[in-house]
Amino acid sequence: AQSVTQPDIHITVSEGASLELRCNYSYGATPYLFWYVQSPGQGLQLLLKYFSGDTLVQGIKGFEAEFKRSQSSFNLRKPSVHWSDAAEYFCAVGARNAGNNRKLIWGLGTSLAVNP
Amino acid sequence: NAGVTQTPKFQVLKTGQSMTLQCAQDMNHNSMYWYRQDPGMGLRLIYYSASEGTTDKGEVPNGYNVSRLNKREFSLRLESAAPSQTSVYFCASRVGGGSEKLFFGSGTQLSVL
Repeated sequence: AQSVTQPDIHITVSEGASLELRCNYSYGATPYLFWYVQSPGQGLQLLLKYFSGDTLVQGIKGFEAEFKRSQSSFNLRKPSVHWSDAAEYFCAVGARNAGNNRKLIWGLGTSLAVNP
Repeated sequence: NAGVTQTPKFQVLKTGQSMTLQCAQDMNHNSMYWYRQDPGMGLRLIYYSASEGTTDKGEVPNGYNVSRLNKREFSLRLESAAPSQTSVYFCASRVGGGSEKLFFGSGTQLSVL
């Protein structure tokens, strides 16, 4: 079955510290992978995506993620966290259903808190 | 640049009442989606519309109906609201074809008493 697992429900880091949010997926073919961020009271915004090619992808707001096929992972990283990065982060996998219409499978999210 | 606009932002209903959540996008996107977000359950797809004139069920369609009124608008209707439908609802759209980027509205917080 296709699934996305974000093992960490909640993470707290200090401002200026590095960050890594984990995402593992189960999918039968090469996946399309995404990270979205949700600030309080807002909709989700795309941070970055992986379709093919270079396995290290750069996104907005200084985030990057690395696709590791052997580990079925797509972890999100940032070298120095800012207080404004406090938000909910969602990993998602792009799947294709029988009707050839792609739908996303979502992880349950990781809530990030940033200490001053 | 309005993007995806959802109305209303907040709504309180009594059990059994009906209502329609409105969604409109001004980006000429082909595909539109309705999700619900609940604590500990992430985002779950209710219905989607791959293109104008088509709609399909997602993971949790029971108790909902949708209408793709035109390319811009995709509404979600609760015919007889139940407390289990208390949730935050998000509309999203994407260009379609090979583009996977979803654009989200800011959500509707619905409480059913």
